[in-house]
Amino acid sequence: AQSVTQLGSHVSVSEGALVLLRCNYSSSVPPYLFWYVQYPNQGLQLLLKYTSAATLVKGINGFEAEFKKSETSFHLTKPSAHMSDAAEYFCAVSGYTNAGKSTFGDGTTLTVKP
Amino acid sequence: DAGVIQSPRHEVTEMGQEVTLRCKPISGHNSLFWYRQTMMRGLELLIYFNNNVPIDDSGMPEDRFSAKMPNASFSTLKIQPSEPRDSAVYFCASTPTGGGVYGYTFGSGTRLTVV
Repeated sequence: AQSVTQLGSHVSVSEGALVLLRCNYSSSVPPYLFWYVQYPNQGLQLLLKYTSAATLVKGINGFEAEFKKSETSFHLTKPSAHMSDAAEYFCAVSGYTNAGKSTFGDGTTLTVKP
Repeated sequence: DAGVIQSPRHEVTEMGQEVTLRCKPISGHNSLFWYRQTMMRGLELLIYFNNNVPIDDSGMPEDRFSAKMPNASFSTLKIQPSEPRDSAVYFCASTPTGGGVYGYTFGSGTRLTVV
């Protein structure tokens, strides 16, 4: 069984500040981990993924995430927030299954203040 | 590649009417997922298919909901009869078969309003 917990349903930062969105996972098998972004009135878009290669993963728009097995975490960071980063972010976990099914967290809404 | 294509983008219907949502996955993607998103309940997995076969439909809320995948390039989600509480954004997503490594590609969604 797999699950994901996103800590904080809403995060607010000032433009130029560090963005940190937290994700902890639970998995009985080696996990694959994902972050997705959803802009208003759009579908979810894959931001980055961890698939057991490098533990520090870089994604689009300057985001990165670090897989920490000892902490069962996969937090998403960006050094400097931009107004365009305002969106909802979802963490997801999957294991090796033929159908490739992922389990999603509840999402974190990021607000960027000018 | 055109991505995952959903139609219609918006649907407004009256309570009791039949609604059919359509999805065309990315060519070569063997798994297809239907999700529903609302403010109250977030993102809910309704059903998913692998190689056109339904694998898990435990998320389908009621018998009013049904889904089919007659071939690798087309899937439908049908609600009959529709109710106001079915109002939501419905997403389709696809992924290649390969153990969950790839992540999903989502469509733009269908915003359903039942009045």
